[in-house]
Amino acid sequence: QQKVQQSPESLIVPEGAMTSLNCTFSDSASQYFAWYRQHSGKAPKALMSIFSNGEKEEGRFTIHLNKASLHFSLHIRDSQPSDSALYLCAVRRGSALGRLHFGAGTQLIVIP
Amino acid sequence: GPKVLQIPSHQIIDMGQMVTLNCDPVSNHLYFYWYKQILGQQMEFLVNFYNGKVMEKSKLFKDQFSVERPDGSYFTLKIQPTALEDSAVYFCASSLGEDTQYFGPGTRLLVL
Repeated sequence: QQKVQQSPESLIVPEGAMTSLNCTFSDSASQYFAWYRQHSGKAPKALMSIFSNGEKEEGRFTIHLNKASLHFSLHIRDSQPSDSALYLCAVRRGSALGRLHFGAGTQLIVIP
Repeated sequence: GPKVLQIPSHQIIDMGQMVTLNCDPVSNHLYFYWYKQILGQQMEFLVNFYNGKVMEKSKLFKDQFSVERPDGSYFTLKIQPTALEDSAVYFCASSLGEDTQYFGPGTRLLVL
């Protein structure tokens, strides 16, 4: 059974800071790794995803994957108050039909 | 971005009654999912559905649960009869067959 864990549970950063969120997984056969952002009472919204080891950057967001370490991360450059939300990491084993395994989330607060 | 709608947003019912949760997926999507989140816990996969069939279900998808999408209308999750432990937020998701699953805002179900 896939175990997905996120750290930290919560994080408070000042506006403009770099934010780093972490996710570890247990199934080495995992092939798809994603980050979702969820504002309170709203739908989880896909932010970024990655398949292979390395980094991928989109705007202020960078996802980094190290399969050997069973770890991936999300880095937010120049954090904004609008980035305040619950961040969920998700992992999937195989095909597009495969179930997503979610972490419990990191609650991020960016203070102006 | 693509939007998934869920109706109703909240539902309160008595234990033993039947409930139907409705999901309006993204219009051209082909794959549909239900996830369950109990208060304070991680979101967990229930079932996925493609071409009119359940493709995969988890152990959380009890015999009292059923899903269908008649004639391209709502994708529904029916629970009959409900139990106290069914109280949770139920998230619907859909995907085109690519990797990103798009989520709705959830239906908050309370079974009394």
